[in-house]
Amino acid sequence: EIVLTQSPATLSLSPGERATLSCRASQSVRSYLAWYQQRPGQAPRLLIYDASNRATGIPDRFSGSGSGTDFTLTISSLEPEDFAVYYCQHRRSWPLTFGQGTKVEIK
Amino acid sequence: EVQLVESGGGLVQPGGSLRLSCAASGFTFSTYEMHWVRQTTGKGLEWVSGISTDGDTYYPDSVKGRFTISRENAKNSLYLQMNSLRAEDTGVYFCARDEPPGGFNPWGRGTLVTVSS
Repeated sequence: EIVLTQSPATLSLSPGERATLSCRASQSVRSYLAWYQQRPGQAPRLLIYDASNRATGIPDRFSGSGSGTDFTLTISSLEPEDFAVYYCQHRRSWPLTFGQGTKVEIK
Repeated sequence: EVQLVESGGGLVQPGGSLRLSCAASGFTFSTYEMHWVRQTTGKGLEWVSGISTDGDTYYPDSVKGRFTISRENAKNSLYLQMNSLRAEDTGVYFCARDEPPGGFNPWGRGTLVTVSS
């Protein structure tokens, strides 16, 4: 099973600041990595697929990078609605797994 | 509008069974792989099963032999039969469409399963 480790667990930032979230895989997942946003009381929403491709309707302030074992989700300038929990997920092999999440909170 | 609506959650005793349903609309259900994902307090998001368009099924070890995913394309429906339920199976269960080239999109709103005596 591929383990995904996200860091930091919590990121305290102000609106307008840049957020950088990390996801590290225990073995290579090539580029088969997705990022999701989950707001309180809502289902997760797909942001990024295949490491760097934005899903339909996702603002361009969200970007993803990386391959192999190290991945980054960057939010260039935080909007109020971006304060949420973010999860990475691989689809390199079965079983699919998620990271434990990074909470982006208002400082 | 693409929509997924889960149902069937509730309170069940340890060792009991429950069948979850997911009603799909707004897309050609038969042409998409589908998944169940749960969210628990202890383990965050956990993928619990997947089914291909051809009916091939996939499970993590944590539920293999206890959970069965199935689909009924004529009814645009996805199911999860859960047997031998344990306290650690408690959580919100989401169904999700596997959207090529890679990602779960969209997700339903989820249904709560509570395993307790």
